[in-house]
Amino acid sequence: DTGVSQDPRHKITKRGQNVTFRCDPISEHNRLYWYRQTLGQGPEFLTYFQNEAQLEKSRLLSDRFSAERPKGSFSTLEIQRTEQGDSAMYLCASSFGLPGQDVFGSYEQYFGPGTRLTVT
Amino acid sequence: RKEVEQDPGPFNVPEGATVAFNCTYSNSASQSFFWYRQDCRKEPKLLMSVYSSGNEDGRFTAQLNRASQYISLLIRDSKLSDSATYLCVVNGPGTYKYIFGTGTRLKVLA
Repeated sequence: DTGVSQDPRHKITKRGQNVTFRCDPISEHNRLYWYRQTLGQGPEFLTYFQNEAQLEKSRLLSDRFSAERPKGSFSTLEIQRTEQGDSAMYLCASSFGLPGQDVFGSYEQYFGPGTRLTVT
Repeated sequence: RKEVEQDPGPFNVPEGATVAFNCTYSNSASQSFFWYRQDCRKEPKLLMSVYSSGNEDGRFTAQLNRASQYISLLIRDSKLSDSATYLCVVNGPGTYKYIFGTGTRLKVLA
């Protein structure tokens, strides 16, 4: 399967614990996004990487959240000191943008299956 | 005003019916528009991009109205398998952010 993959698919954790999720984008895609989705809502943008550079973060993202994409391939999203309000589906998406073409928001994204986080 | 607004539905239609959804966006500088489909507890899947001239893919037609700042999705000859939530997506101008609507739920009834 050459689509976007995410691991784990489900995570149950106790409040206060740290969790880390992994996303492997489509191999030739240089752009990677993280979103959070709660029931009855659309995905909410969290952060964006172009290759290994984190170019944008949502202002809503608390400092308990951090993301990395160290070699421009897979990415990790870590949540420290989890709270019950962090319970959601965390989605990763990737897209391809031509090198040197820096047009905002022009590219179609492909989503992974998501990691469902439950904080008890 | 929300950046992207959709009627949450549900829209309950019989098989074979034609159904249309609208989505309004607040920032006139937005340039990229998409429709995604999301099945229950699954990830969103790209349905189609929306171009200025409108575009059609089989039974699906998407239109953009810049003057009134909305996009539309028309589904003809609805199938049971079209039952899903349809998400409208708009880019945030001057950012890399994509803004999703809350989605419109469609139920096609036998």
